[in-house]
Amino acid sequence: NAGVTQTPKFQVLKTGQSMTLQCAQDMNHNSMYWYRQDPGMGLRLIYYSASEGTTDKGEVPNGYNVSRLNKREFSLRLESAAPSQTSVYFCASSDRGGFSNQPQHFGDGTRLSIL
Amino acid sequence: KQEVTQIPAALSVPEGENLVLNCSFTDSAIYNLQWFRQDPGKGLTSLLLIQSSQREQTSGRLNASLDKSSGRSTLYIAASQPGDSATYLCAVMLWAGANNLFFGTGTRLTVIP
Repeated sequence: NAGVTQTPKFQVLKTGQSMTLQCAQDMNHNSMYWYRQDPGMGLRLIYYSASEGTTDKGEVPNGYNVSRLNKREFSLRLESAAPSQTSVYFCASSDRGGFSNQPQHFGDGTRLSIL
Repeated sequence: KQEVTQIPAALSVPEGENLVLNCSFTDSAIYNLQWFRQDPGKGLTSLLLIQSSQREQTSGRLNASLDKSSGRSTLYIAASQPGDSATYLCAVMLWAGANNLFFGTGTRLTVIP
């Protein structure tokens, strides 16, 4: 089972460049999430999509945009990358989001370095 | 804001030992608490989810307990194995409908053969 698939796995950017991180899930989940993980800090929510057609800001949304392309796919875009956005980015999905006592399922992450 | 703390940050034990990982949170009004495992270079794998009305959950050699009033959860691993070596994360959800999980920074466990 593929579960949650993220592409690319690694990326190096220069300051000011833009890029889009892709995420797709095959579990027919309604809710999808983007987190970032930094050393010494817990995972922090960037944006989430409770259902197809909706997106909302999480704890650290500045510098990012998202698109819920369809039920399967949720992308994260960095319009003008900054060194502070160097991190590991995780996409996750769950059934009915916070209204269910179901765990979130995570992808393997995208390791992004911005020089 | 909910703060989630995991102590110790790292733990090494000999194979076969039983061990306890700790998680504490500042706001006791949580909806659920989850324990995850993270292997190097990988994503998170959900191990156990405890609803706020529950006291504990068990899966194989793993047992997670929850004491909401004191803001604490423990993950008990019985008869540890080298394959248990990983980082263990706990996360809390504040209320039904919340989409934000608040994560601790994890405990890195090494089980020595």
